[in-house]
Amino acid sequence: GQQLNQSPQSMFIQEGEDVSMNCTSSSIFNTWLWYKQDPGEGPVLLIALYKAGELTSNGRLTAQFGITRKDSFLNISASIPSDVGIYFCAGQISSNQFYFGTGTSLTVIP
Amino acid sequence: GAVVSQHPSRVICKSGTSVKIECRSLDFQATTMFWYRQFPKKSLMLMATSNEGSKATYEQGVEKDKFLINHASLTLSTLTVTSAHPEDSSFYICSARDLWGLAGGEQFFGPGTRLTVL
Repeated sequence: GQQLNQSPQSMFIQEGEDVSMNCTSSSIFNTWLWYKQDPGEGPVLLIALYKAGELTSNGRLTAQFGITRKDSFLNISASIPSDVGIYFCAGQISSNQFYFGTGTSLTVIP
Repeated sequence: GAVVSQHPSRVICKSGTSVKIECRSLDFQATTMFWYRQFPKKSLMLMATSNEGSKATYEQGVEKDKFLINHASLTLSTLTVTSAHPEDSSFYICSARDLWGLAGGEQFFGPGTRLTVL
């Protein structure tokens, strides 16, 4: 399958700080999605991006679909303790070609 | 929003037994369901894709006789781990999609099933 590399692999930040993570691939994707997974739960969709250059916000979260269609980033502003979890990017080429990134583990220190 | 449930949430079984995991779409009809496997601190790996009424398509390296998938209705898919062994212990997650309806084909994920094989 396709390889989607996320960085950083893990982050430890103070509450109130902003967070930035990104996802890169050698392949072109038609859709980029960002999910959050809490321990022992399934992923929950945060933001979906459908065209190159698109910048979309969902509350304190902002994500962008890279111009080259090979990357995407997610920013979280003013982090709070409940932001803790693993964040996954996912890229979709077609309806049945859907791949997850390697994940970024976020720890927020109160 | 769309809800996907999985049952059981946890299962512990002896080596050699078979385990069935159910995935249900509760408020929409799922034309396609996906089964993923996740190891601790790792990403989700797609195992197979199943369309209602047809055979599942397995990813490379996934044994179809080991992981039996049945998608008999538009709201239910099952994954059966046959003759389970300790190396099959993992977190199994399903997702469901209604390509022609809700949210234009977005995947909705279940809460996962933790399988432990002793």
